[in-house]
Amino acid sequence: ILNVEQSPQSLHVQEGDSTNFTCSFPSSNFYALHWYRWETAKSPEALFVMTLNGDEKKKGRISATLNTKEGYSYLYIKGSQPEDSATYLCASYSGGGADGLTFGKGTHLIIQP
Amino acid sequence: KAGVTQTPRYLIKTRGQQVTLSCSPISGHRSVSWYQQTPGQGLQFLFEYFSETQRNKGNFPGRFSGRQFSNSRSEMNVSTLELGDSALYLCASSLRGESYEQYFGPGTRLTVT
Repeated sequence: ILNVEQSPQSLHVQEGDSTNFTCSFPSSNFYALHWYRWETAKSPEALFVMTLNGDEKKKGRISATLNTKEGYSYLYIKGSQPEDSATYLCASYSGGGADGLTFGKGTHLIIQP
Repeated sequence: KAGVTQTPRYLIKTRGQQVTLSCSPISGHRSVSWYQQTPGQGLQFLFEYFSETQRNKGNFPGRFSGRQFSNSRSEMNVSTLELGDSALYLCASSLRGESYEQYFGPGTRLTVT
């Protein structure tokens, strides 16, 4: 069973500041790493799915990097806005495994105006 | 394109009863996964169905079962409910499985009394 860890657990950031948080996962049998944003009273929304070591993906002010050899991914938010307040989840998938997606417990981000 | 729908949205059951939850995926998506979210826990993977076959199963007791129909709609059943089964149950659909973006439904909030 994979163990996916996210840090920090929660984060308060001033509006306009940039921030980043970490997802670590076992690097053996790695197949894909997912990032989701989960806003209160909504469903989790996919941000990125990454599979290749060194992969970098970007969507607007949000970007993510992936290091499969050492088992970590960073999510960056540039110029935080109040609408970025949410819980950010990462999940790892080991292809061919029987466990499906293994999620971390998330980083709860609060943007203060 | 319509999103993932789940019914019912809220449910209250008594210990020992059984419950069936339903999930309709996005049109064209053949994979449906189910997750359980309880306070303090991340999303826990229950099982994944693809083309009517269970492809992956998480570490849950046999009281949790599911199935998928030919139109990709999926149902999840929990028999002999326990208080600890109180949770938010989310389903997610994707084109082909866990290496693809998951599109989550709004969830079913189950309370067992």
